[in-house]
Amino acid sequence: EAGVAQSPRYKIIEKRQSVAFWCNPISGHATLYWYQQILGQGPKLLIQFQNNGVVDDSQLPKDRFSAERLKGVDSTLKIQPAKLEDSAVYLCASSFRTGWVDTEAFFGQGTRLTVV
Amino acid sequence: DAKTTQPPSMDCAEGRAANLPCNHSTISGNEYVYWYRQIHSQGPQYIIHGLKNNETNEMASLIITEDRKSSTLILPHATLRDTAVYYCIDNDKIIFGKGTRLHILP
Repeated sequence: EAGVAQSPRYKIIEKRQSVAFWCNPISGHATLYWYQQILGQGPKLLIQFQNNGVVDDSQLPKDRFSAERLKGVDSTLKIQPAKLEDSAVYLCASSFRTGWVDTEAFFGQGTRLTVV
Repeated sequence: DAKTTQPPSMDCAEGRAANLPCNHSTISGNEYVYWYRQIHSQGPQYIIHGLKNNETNEMASLIITEDRKSSTLILPHATLRDTAVYYCIDNDKIIFGKGTRLHILP
């Protein structure tokens, strides 16, 4: 089966510019996650969707980050304006069932963002 | 924040069994233990999960203590391709800690 697709793979922007990342989860997966992974650290959960509703966005810096999942399928994550500390890999993941019980998540390859 | 504790790094000789420990002393009764790994420049990859019983699949075995406060991931015959960061997760959201960086030595 096709995996989680993310684009672009790489992005370089100047600080204060805006940027958007796109994620297409595995077909039929209700739950979608966005993570930020700074070099040398574990992935940090930014936001979790169930279908098109937000389950948890407690770690999302809402003054500059936004995410949406229209129609409960594809999702976009936006940063506006970007800061140097936003340089990281942004990972998208999806899982079949609501929450976590007895199902694993599948991750995309990520988008590597460099803010200069 | 992650509730699990793992050693920051471990070495294992190629061909030997790699045993990766994880402490999850605050795990609740209905929370599964999941293991993922992340090979350099790739997204995390699911390995195995369990609730109470020991589990085995084509990748690894998972041994969970009777009190469920700790577990061990076993890679039975480690190869160089198993070099990665291994994450143990014990919650209903996929919240990662710092993981264990496993080095397989030729």
